[in-house]
Amino acid sequence: AQSVAQPEDQVNVAEGNPLTVKCTYSVSGNPYLFWYVQYPNRGLQFLLKYITGDNLVKGSYGFEAEFNKSQTSFHLKKPSALVSDSALYFCAVRDGAAGNKLTFGGGTRVLVKP
Amino acid sequence: DGGITQSPKYLFRKEGQNVTLSCEQNLNHDAMYWYRQDPGQGLRLIYYSQIVNDFQKGDIAEGYSVSREKKESFPLTVTSAQKNPTAFYLCASSITPAEGYYGYTFGSGTRLTVV
Repeated sequence: AQSVAQPEDQVNVAEGNPLTVKCTYSVSGNPYLFWYVQYPNRGLQFLLKYITGDNLVKGSYGFEAEFNKSQTSFHLKKPSALVSDSALYFCAVRDGAAGNKLTFGGGTRVLVKP
Repeated sequence: DGGITQSPKYLFRKEGQNVTLSCEQNLNHDAMYWYRQDPGQGLRLIYYSQIVNDFQKGDIAEGYSVSREKKESFPLTVTSAQKNPTAFYLCASSITPAEGYYGYTFGSGTRLTVV
């Protein structure tokens, strides 16, 4: 079975500082990994994905994520956080051997303080 | 523009009532999904459908029902058997290409409250 863990319920960071949101996964086949962002009372918006290729993936709004196969991690990063980055972030994984379903982590709330 | 439309945005249900949440997509996606979101619990899969006239239970299907009579539509009914229906409900869809994978597109959600 596939699973995703986001070990931090909340991350606080000052505006202008680097932001990291952690994600680890478990799959039996090759992982397809995703990050989504959710603003209050809205659906989830796609940020970036890793399917294959370069381990560093660049996405929307200046975010990037690094795939680390040995550590089974896919941490989301942004070099300089903005107050507008305050939101709920979800990591998700699809096991290539288990159909099309995504499994989501529990979410990490990011609070960027001015 | 293509996308997923969920309606209504807010819904109030009385005890013992069934209510139906609408989800329509014009993306020509094959698969559709319903998730429930509660504070601090992330997303939990209720039902999903890979093709028309077929659907499968997710992790928390009890008290819910769905239909998939058209490719574009995947309504969710919250029945009176669902004892704690107050939550934020999200619909999503995905394409199933022969190769590759593109993840989900989400609707903007329906907030259901029992009154």
